[in-house]
Amino acid sequence: AQSVTQLGSHVSVSEGALVLLRCNYSSSVPPYLFWYVQYPNQGLQLLLKYTTGATLVKGINGFEAEFKKSETSFHLTKPSAHMSDAAEYFCAVRKNSGGSNYKLTFGKGTLLTVNP
Amino acid sequence: DTGVSQDPRHKITKRGQNVTFRCDPISEHNRLYWYRQTLGQGPEFLTYFQNEAQLEKSRLLSDRFSAERPKGSFSTLEIQRTEQGDSAMYLCASSPPAFSYNEQFFGPGTRLTVL
Repeated sequence: AQSVTQLGSHVSVSEGALVLLRCNYSSSVPPYLFWYVQYPNQGLQLLLKYTTGATLVKGINGFEAEFKKSETSFHLTKPSAHMSDAAEYFCAVRKNSGGSNYKLTFGKGTLLTVNP
Repeated sequence: DTGVSQDPRHKITKRGQNVTFRCDPISEHNRLYWYRQTLGQGPEFLTYFQNEAQLEKSRLLSDRFSAERPKGSFSTLEIQRTEQGDSAMYLCASSPPAFSYNEQFFGPGTRLTVL
């Protein structure tokens, strides 16, 4: 079974400060990893994904994440927060092979607020 | 390409009533998924279609829930005899045939409130 743990249900940063959202996963097989963003009353938008290859992945809006197999982590960072980054962020995992490998398993989410 | 669309965006109903939601995936996507998101939680998988075939149903999908995708295009999710615990955001997603790395594209969701 797969699971995702997002440390911190709520993170608050000042505009221009570093954003760090934490994600740890558990998977019986090598996973694909995703970060999604959700704005109020909207669906999910993909920020970035790790499938194979380079472990540092760059996404949209200046976000990036690094896959660390030894730490089973996939933390999301952005060097300088912008007011428009305020949203809820979800980390998700999917198996890269085997049965039900289409199913995304999500963490509980981290609400990011950006203070002026 | 207009993305995944869902209708209605909001639905308020009384306990015991039946409701039906519709999802229109991106046109060339043959894979379609339903997820449910309750307050303060991440989305949870409900069911998966490949073309018109429903290949997996989560145990979260009780007998009161039924999903269809009759022609392999749009899908409907029906909840019979709604309960207050059914209040949630219902998200639909689709992905293209060349599946391996491809992401799931999510619609805006249908927010259900059961009074």
